Amino acid sequence: ETGVTQTPRHLVMGMTNKKSLKCEQHLGHNAMYWYKQSAKKPLELMFVYNFKEQTENNSVPSRFSPECPNSSHLFLHLHTLQPEDSALYLCASSQGAQGYEQYFGPGTRLTVT
Amino acid sequence: QQQVKQSPQSLIVQKGGIPIINCAYENTAFDYFPWYQQFPGKGPALLIAIRPDVSEKKEGRFTISFNKSAKQFSLHIMDSQPGDSATYFCAASKAGGGNKLTFGTGTQLKVEL
Repeated sequence: ETGVTQTPRHLVMGMTNKKSLKCEQHLGHNAMYWYKQSAKKPLELMFVYNFKEQTENNSVPSRFSPECPNSSHLFLHLHTLQPEDSALYLCASSQGAQGYEQYFGPGTRLTVT
Repeated sequence: QQQVKQSPQSLIVQKGGIPIINCAYENTAFDYFPWYQQFPGKGPALLIAIRPDVSEKKEGRFTISFNKSAKQFSLHIMDSQPGDSATYFCAASKAGGGNKLTFGTGTQLKVEL
C-alpha cells in the first residue's frame, strides 16, 4: 500500500444527490491533490493543496468542492453531478512545495446515474 | 493542448520480450520525467523517473532513455514478465510548476506466456 487511503472505493449517485469523497495520507506529506481519470484520457489534475491552502484549481466546475482541513485529510464534495462526471477519482500526496514524487491512493470509482 | 504524447496505446509482447513505450513532450521547461505503473483497481505507482541531465537511468528491469534534443523519452522493460501487465503512464513536470504533473494518455501492456 502507498500510505494514501480513499473512501469509498465505489460510489453510485444520482444527479441530484450530494456525496463526499475522502482521502487520508499517512506519509507526513504537505501537499495533496485530486485527479480525475477517464478512459483513454490523461489524468486530469483538479485541485492542489499545499499546507492546507488551495494553490491550484484547474478550471473545475463548481459542482466539485474540495476541502482540506489539515495536511493529512482531503475531501471532495459532490453535488448535482452530470453523467459525464463518472470516472475514477484519485487522490495523491507529496512532500514539500516541489513534491515531484506523488503517491496515489487506489481511487474512488464514481458512477453518476 | 496535450503537452505529453504517449504511444502506443496498447502493446502485447511475449514473456522475456522488451516492450518499449515512447513519450514526446513540447514544453522545454519540463525538468522531471516520471513513469507510473497502474494495475486494475489500484492507483498509479511511481516506477522510475529521470531528469534531463542524464540520458539513461536503470532500476532493475526498467530503463528510461532520454533524448533532450528530440524532446522524447522512453521506457524499456527488460525480460518482461506476465506480472508486468499493467497500464503505464509517462508524465512531465517543471520546477516552479506548482506541483503539476502533465500525464500522457497511458499504454496498456500485456505480457503473454
